Amino acid sequence: DTGVSQNPRHKITKRGQNVTFRCDPISEHNRLYWYRQTLGQGPEFLTYFQNEAQLEKSRLLSDRFSAERPKGSFSTLEIQRTEQGDSAMYLCASSPGTSYNEQFFGPGTRLTVL
Amino acid sequence: QKEVEQDPGPLSVPEGAIVSLNCTYSNSAFQYFMWYRQYSRKGPELLMYTYSSGNKEDGRFTAQVDKSSKYISLFIRDSQPSDSATYLCAMSAGNDYKLSFGAGTTVTVRA
Repeated sequence: DTGVSQNPRHKITKRGQNVTFRCDPISEHNRLYWYRQTLGQGPEFLTYFQNEAQLEKSRLLSDRFSAERPKGSFSTLEIQRTEQGDSAMYLCASSPGTSYNEQFFGPGTRLTVL
Repeated sequence: QKEVEQDPGPLSVPEGAIVSLNCTYSNSAFQYFMWYRQYSRKGPELLMYTYSSGNKEDGRFTAQVDKSSKYISLFIRDSQPSDSATYLCAMSAGNDYKLSFGAGTTVTVRA
């Protein structure tokens, strides 16, 4: 499978715990994006990387959130001290980094904070 | 007011009908326009990608962009029950790679 992959697919955690999600983009895509989607809403942009550089972060990304893409390949998104409001689908997308901005999404990680 | 407005529906049509979906937007810098299909509890799947104004056709799908009216549309011809999903419009500016999405329209095609 050469698409975007995300792990885990589901995560249930208790309030106050830390969680980490992983995204593996399409091979040779140098842009990688994280979005968050809540029920009945479209995805909202969180942050994006060009290679290993994090170029933009949304105001939605509080200090409890951190994202990395250490070698310009896979990326991780960590949420510290989770809150019930963090419950959502976390989506990763990648694009080839040409003038086109076609973004291809992974299946998402569904987070439930109890 | 949201940057991208999309009627959430739901929209229910009989098999074989034409499905018409649309979005309006307020940011005149948007140049790239996309439609995604999302099945329940899955990630969005890219259906159509259009740059600037005009029409684009791909099989049963036609995307239209009218930048003067800040209005985009997606038409699905000969709709099938397998087209039942949520359809999301998305757009971005030329120098800004993040996508701004509509809330999605839920479509059901009745057999």
